[in-house]
Amino acid sequence: SQQGEEDPQALSIQEGENATMNCSYKTSINNLQWYRQNSGRGLVHLILIRSNEREKHSGRLRVTLDTSKKSSSLLITASRAADTASYFCATDSFNAGGTSYGKLTFGQGTILTVHP
Amino acid sequence: GAGVSQSPSNKVTEKGKDVELRCDPISGHTALYWYRQSLGQGLEFLIYFQGNSAPDKSGLPSDRFSAERTGGSVSTLTIQRTQQEDSAVYLCASSLRIQGLNEQFFGPGTRLTVL
Repeated sequence: SQQGEEDPQALSIQEGENATMNCSYKTSINNLQWYRQNSGRGLVHLILIRSNEREKHSGRLRVTLDTSKKSSSLLITASRAADTASYFCATDSFNAGGTSYGKLTFGQGTILTVHP
Repeated sequence: GAGVSQSPSNKVTEKGKDVELRCDPISGHTALYWYRQSLGQGLEFLIYFQGNSAPDKSGLPSDRFSAERTGGSVSTLTIQRTQQEDSAVYLCASSLRIQGLNEQFFGPGTRLTVL
């Protein structure tokens, strides 16, 4: 089963607008990552935020993490038609020994459509 | 530099046949992961390699699935006696596994169709 729950499931906006996607998870994490997927094939890593970080920026991307609420958000500013894709959050969790599992648990994803 | 590569990119097979899917990770990446993406199940973890050993194979759906990695590099995922529910995109990823960070780089995937 997927640990991450993302909302919205689909988002449709105009070029230039901001897009915000949210992700919730259930267990303690080592880090949380966001990925983009075009046309149902390979995933592209966007950004990684560690559990002790609250906010991180990369270009037009801003990620926040609230471990008390077990949630994260991805903000894409000034969106472009080329941003049209599916976006997934993925969590890297700890095993019983306190180390990360070494596997990612993915949310169901948000389908973003940016209209020119 | 070269990214993660997978072959074949598409595979169509008949029910009951065996298939082998190959993954070439980024050079120097010690960790390698297999995931499966299907319409009904989303992205699921299958198995993880650290070097040539597999500390976590908890995601393999049945004993028809197996994987190996040799020389700390190439990995092969084998599905025996394929079933229609095995149809999915099989994704491979690799990472450095430095200091607990686990940024994974994905290959383009193999789309498996079982008729």
